[in-house]
Amino acid sequence: SAVISQKPSRDICQRGTSLTIQCQVDSQVTMMFWYRQQPGQSLTLIATANQGSEATYESGFVIDKFPISRPNLTFSTLTVSNMSPEDSSIYLCSASRDSTYEQYFGPGTRLTVT
Amino acid sequence: KNQVEQSPQSLIILEGKNCTLQCNYTVSPFSNLRWYKQDTGRGPVSLTIMTFSENTKSNGRYTATLDADTKQSSLHITASQLSDSASYICVVSARQAGTALIFGKGTTLSVSS
Repeated sequence: SAVISQKPSRDICQRGTSLTIQCQVDSQVTMMFWYRQQPGQSLTLIATANQGSEATYESGFVIDKFPISRPNLTFSTLTVSNMSPEDSSIYLCSASRDSTYEQYFGPGTRLTVT
Repeated sequence: KNQVEQSPQSLIILEGKNCTLQCNYTVSPFSNLRWYKQDTGRGPVSLTIMTFSENTKSNGRYTATLDADTKQSSLHITASQLSDSASYICVVSARQAGTALIFGKGTTLSVSS
């Protein structure tokens, strides 16, 4: 298994600012992902964080809005840029050793934009 | 279009009772089906993963079934406890390059004493 931690656990931010969320895995993993979970909704994949190269974004999500870094096999960051109230959501990091294997989730970061 | 639909949307049961949650999917090509439990304010935690050839898998009081022909799955919870109150999410993985997980919207279970 893999234990995933996220920082911060929650934050309240002002419109127009940016927030960087950190994700740390306790062991090396092949794949890391970032999801968004809006109130009352299920998870939506934002992007796959690729180690050493640019992230792969899903339809509707762009790098300018959600820049992602993955400097090594245990760490990734997601930045929510130029925030608006519509960005208020829970952001979850997940990790997997293979696309067919178990996917482990972090506890999430609850973001409120005012 | 790949979709995962869950029912009921929400469910309230008394402690000690059993319940069954349903999941129908239209995902192709199918790789595996997962059930996750998500407590309020926490990330999802895996309960079971089933591949095409598996039709039942248990994890303690949780038993998942899979009918790949009808593209249906169920999660049966036996002798429910207050701690079972959570959202249960059915997730289907499509067999293709990368990881394509299709999430259901979840069933919110409330167990009352």
